[in-house]
Amino acid sequence: EAGVAQSPRYKIIEKRQSVAFWCNPISGHATLYWYQQILGQGPKLLIQFQNNGVVDDSQLPKDRFSAERLKGVDSTLKIQPAKLEDSAVYLCASRYSGRKGGELFFGEGSRLTVL
Amino acid sequence: GQNIDQPTEMTATEGAIVQINCTYQTSGFNGLFWYQQHAGEAPTFLSYNVLDGLEEKGRFSSFLSRSKGYSYLLLKELQMKDSASYLCAVRDRPTGTASKLTFGTGTRLQVTL
Repeated sequence: EAGVAQSPRYKIIEKRQSVAFWCNPISGHATLYWYQQILGQGPKLLIQFQNNGVVDDSQLPKDRFSAERLKGVDSTLKIQPAKLEDSAVYLCASRYSGRKGGELFFGEGSRLTVL
Repeated sequence: GQNIDQPTEMTATEGAIVQINCTYQTSGFNGLFWYQQHAGEAPTFLSYNVLDGLEEKGRFSSFLSRSKGYSYLLLKELQMKDSASYLCAVRDRPTGTASKLTFGTGTRLQVTL
């Protein structure tokens, strides 16, 4: 079974520039999450999708961050304009809702450095 | 909202046993997860507890007390490869479309010779 795919793995940009991250979840997983993990901290939920609908985006800085999940499969997270404090690893995860327990499966992450 | 506390760092010797504690406060509870995260890698699932008691899986065990808002992860026969961060995460709603998983800051475990 293929895992969660993310790209790019690494991105370096200057502040005020824009960046986009892509995620392809495990086939059949209806729930998709974007987490932000700053060095030395635990993952912080940015947005959660169920199929192509948003179920939680309460911690997404909507003035600069946006995310979509067209057709309920792939998802894109965009930051525009980026700030220095956005330097972090952006983790995408997916979950099969019907499974007991329903652990999250994470991608390898996209590491963003904002200069 | 949720509040999850775990120690920042721990050190233990190869072959020993280590217990990593996690306390939580949540408005609703439906499960506690432990994840392992090696430096520069994604978190990987270790264990899940939803009822009180001990869940054992090889060298790793996880315990939950819902009344105390407390869990621990027990690692036996430590190996050097167990050096990693261990993340405690709490799910706050019944399984379904709106369940939310919140992570603690993680405990960085260093295993020494």
